Amino acid sequence: DSGVTQTPKHLITATGQRVTLRCSPRSGDLSVYWYQQSLDQGLQFLIQYYNGEERAKGNILERFSAQQFPDLHSELNLSSLELGDSALYFCASSDRGRSTDTQYFGPGTRLTVL
Amino acid sequence: GDSVTQMEGPVTLSEEAFLTINCTYTATGYPSLFWYVQYPGEGLQLLLKATKADDKGSNKGFEATYRKETTSFHLEKGSVQVSDSAVYFCALINSGGYQKVTFGTGTKLQVIP
Repeated sequence: DSGVTQTPKHLITATGQRVTLRCSPRSGDLSVYWYQQSLDQGLQFLIQYYNGEERAKGNILERFSAQQFPDLHSELNLSSLELGDSALYFCASSDRGRSTDTQYFGPGTRLTVL
Repeated sequence: GDSVTQMEGPVTLSEEAFLTINCTYTATGYPSLFWYVQYPGEGLQLLLKATKADDKGSNKGFEATYRKETTSFHLEKGSVQVSDSAVYFCALINSGGYQKVTFGTGTKLQVIP
């Protein structure tokens, strides 16, 4: 158990809908990261937050947004969903978001768009 | 931009065989290098890491050495077990002030008894 929790575990929705994925980092970790894992794209970094502020951006679509709240949990919002958004979404956390820090991954949320 | 190249899988080995999974990278600056493992139905777990040239990361019998001259971070294990069957990802984080993580495509390892 990494100490990172994600809810829900599974999510099934329809095209055009909007969903919110939630992540709670390990106790004491200030930085949160979101990743998307799909068969065709592999594992892609989406975005990083540090202590409530956006720190780095990867291959995140404009239809997607995220935020980190004062209690350090984070939410990833996916809107106008398309079939191609079906994937496993991972959250990770690290101590201070430095390049040498270990990232601890949650179990993931599997999103299926029908 | 940064990139990580891993050997194509799947790799199938017999129990107690020697394992090498090749990983090479392209990056500016001085990245930190990582190997993550993903067991079926689970998230990624850090296997080992190295943060500077010539560092050797090791864990659970796995080793990898950060070779700046060849831009490589190959994963090795002397004697694999069935329980090592998983997907292995090589990754780098550039030290350029922010943490954009770049992953390789993953290498599936299957160990047969």
